[in-house]
Amino acid sequence: QVQLVQSGAEVKKPGASVKVSCKALGYSFTSKYIHWVRQAPGQGLEWVGMIRPSGGYTRYAQKLQGRVTVTRDTSTGTVFMELNSLTSEDTAVYYCARDYSGYDGGYFDYWGQGTLVTVSS
Amino acid sequence: QSVLTQPSSVSGAPGQRVTISCSGSSSNIGASYAVHWYQHLPGAAPKVLIYDNNNRPSGVPGRFSGSRSGTSASLAISGLQAEDEADYYCQSYDRGLSGWVFGGGTKLTV
Repeated sequence: QVQLVQSGAEVKKPGASVKVSCKALGYSFTSKYIHWVRQAPGQGLEWVGMIRPSGGYTRYAQKLQGRVTVTRDTSTGTVFMELNSLTSEDTAVYYCARDYSGYDGGYFDYWGQGTLVTVSS
Repeated sequence: QSVLTQPSSVSGAPGQRVTISCSGSSSNIGASYAVHWYQHLPGAAPKVLIYDNNNRPSGVPGRFSGSRSGTSASLAISGLQAEDEADYYCQSYDRGLSGWVFGGGTKLTV
């Protein structure tokens, strides 16, 4: 069955970087886009960025452009999300999610379990 | 401030029907981008309830339905059950932002 398995919780200091992984299981890795979505404490869901595993095409939220990078390793079926210059506002649960549709505005049919990233001095 | 606007909370008694609205603009819903709805329970990952405006994935009860008109969309939940108590989010695409967008979320109390 389809599963997205994320790496564990992280605690980082302001100004540092964090890299979260998402391993895709149970389907052809290159056939579906993978997105990252985050939820800060007490806030709603926020789209972070996406990657097309076949070819590596990426798109990012304008708010995070320049600080976020999404990459993939096709040999292991894993997607990575790296966020730089962390501030307390980046404290959130980060989810990876599979895009079923594969076009602008598609929906997310499977989600990872979430990774808590805490930014604190 | 979310691009898609939802009420912060709605409530209803068991067995009743509630609707959750999602208001957008000509850059997203009004540009004919599909609207999708998710249910988010505390401590769990979001789950898709409605995709492409009014389609239910297998396993989602028929009590959940979606619609879209103009620059808005709505999620209706009939026969409310205690287990429906959760946060609900609409999602679409915004061509001005060139990205996927979510509503601010609506907390449903049963």
